[in-house]
Amino acid sequence: DAGVIQSPRHEVTEMGQEVTLRCKPISGHNSLFWYRQTMMRGLELLIYFNNNVPIDDSGMPEDRFSAKMPNASFSTLKIQPSEPRDSAVYFCASSWGDSLAGDNEKLFFGSGTQLSVL
Amino acid sequence: GENVEQHPSTLSVQEGDSAVIKCTYSDSASNYFPWYKQELGKRPQLIIDIRSNVGEKKDQRIAVTLNKTAKHFSLHITETQPEDSAVYFCAASYGNNRLAFGKGNQVVVIP
Repeated sequence: DAGVIQSPRHEVTEMGQEVTLRCKPISGHNSLFWYRQTMMRGLELLIYFNNNVPIDDSGMPEDRFSAKMPNASFSTLKIQPSEPRDSAVYFCASSWGDSLAGDNEKLFFGSGTQLSVL
Repeated sequence: GENVEQHPSTLSVQEGDSAVIKCTYSDSASNYFPWYKQELGKRPQLIIDIRSNVGEKKDQRIAVTLNKTAKHFSLHITETQPEDSAVYFCAASYGNNRLAFGKGNQVVVIP
C-alpha cells in the first residue's frame, strides 16, 4: 500500500483565493482525520470522519474551512477565502477505528501539504 | 476534551546516552498512548504505542512506560544515535477514536 496520499505537497496562493487540499486514505481504513500543524499550536485536529460521515468538526477554525468525504477513498479540505494566518502544514491521516466502541488503532499520516498564503 | 503536556520542550544528549521524554494527560478514560517521531520536513511516524492494560512496552532501543494512576507516560531511548534527532510527539486517546497530541519535544543527539 502506498500509504496516505496527499496533494499538492506545496501550495502558494494569494489572500482571498480558494484552496483545496486532497487526501486518499489507506485502503480499508474507515477513519480519516485532517490536522493542521504550526509552531505555535502544534498538531490540531480540524475534523474527523468515520465511515465517510463527519463525526467531529469542532476543530474547524471558521466557516471559511469546509471538508468533504464523498467516498471511502477521497477527502478534500477547502479554505475559501484563504488568509495569511492559514499558512501551515495540513496533514491528512487515516486509521481503522470503531467510533462506537472507542477502539483506537494506529494512525498513519500523509506527507502533508505546506500551504503559504501571501 | 483531553489535554496532553510534554516535558522538556528541548532535550540535548550525547551520542550513546539515554533520552527520556515525559507526557501527562488529563482524561482518566484515555486508554491508548502512541508516540510519533517527526524528522524535519517529513510526516509524523508512529514508533511505539501502549494500551492501558500494560505498564511497559519495549522495541529494541525504545520503550514506553505508563502510570495510569499518575496519568503520565514516558518514552525512553537508549544508546542514542544521530538519526534519533527529531521532534517526538506523544498522544492520548479521547472521545471516540480520536487522539490529542502534545506540542512535541525536540531531541538533539550530539555526536
